[in-house]
Amino acid sequence: DGGITQSPKYLFRKEGQNVTLSCEQNLNHDAMYWYRQDPGQGLRLIYYSQIVNDFQKGDIAEGYSVSREKKESFPLTVTSAQKNPTAFYLCASSIVRTTPYEQYFGPGTRLTVT
Amino acid sequence: ILNVEQSPQSLHVQEGDSTNFTCSFPSSNFYALHWYRWETAKSPEALFVMTLNGDEKKKGRISATLNTKEGYSYLYIKGSQPEDSATYLCAPTDNFNKFYFGSGTKLNVKP
Repeated sequence: DGGITQSPKYLFRKEGQNVTLSCEQNLNHDAMYWYRQDPGQGLRLIYYSQIVNDFQKGDIAEGYSVSREKKESFPLTVTSAQKNPTAFYLCASSIVRTTPYEQYFGPGTRLTVT
Repeated sequence: ILNVEQSPQSLHVQEGDSTNFTCSFPSSNFYALHWYRWETAKSPEALFVMTLNGDEKKKGRISATLNTKEGYSYLYIKGSQPEDSATYLCAPTDNFNKFYFGSGTKLNVKP
């Protein structure tokens, strides 16, 4: 089955620790995205990548870092510099050769930092 | 495009009722409008994508319309069923294909 996997589903960390969220896709999509959801708000873009070894900051990139070493993988690291890391994180991917882009989503990771 | 509003925030209906939600957005730099259905514990699932003013799309009992001049889209569900219970997200995109998500309308259909 083609799709996007995110692991783990729930993640707990102590304040001050970096944590990496996994996102893998086997859809052969060029672009990948990370979003954050907070209660009562729409999804907000953290980082995105349209090609391997290249990525751009989204609207709320501070305190986060990413890498795109392989087309299939786009891990997100939540660093200790992120002031409010507790949130639900969604990964998405899309084809960029046809427009409008359609984004396909993973099931998400809920991160709790105490 | 910065401010995307969806109303109502939540909706409770009885099985068999028809219902509709609204997505409002600034019409400048508009390129496309996406609707997603997001069931609890699952991935958001694409329902429709529309680009032209006056576009109407339909999938079973669910349909959507688009007005790009005034900046809104309606999603209609005819004869709601419990399996329609989900959060419905809209996301207009700009000319760079950047998505701007609303906070969603949470629909609960009671049997």
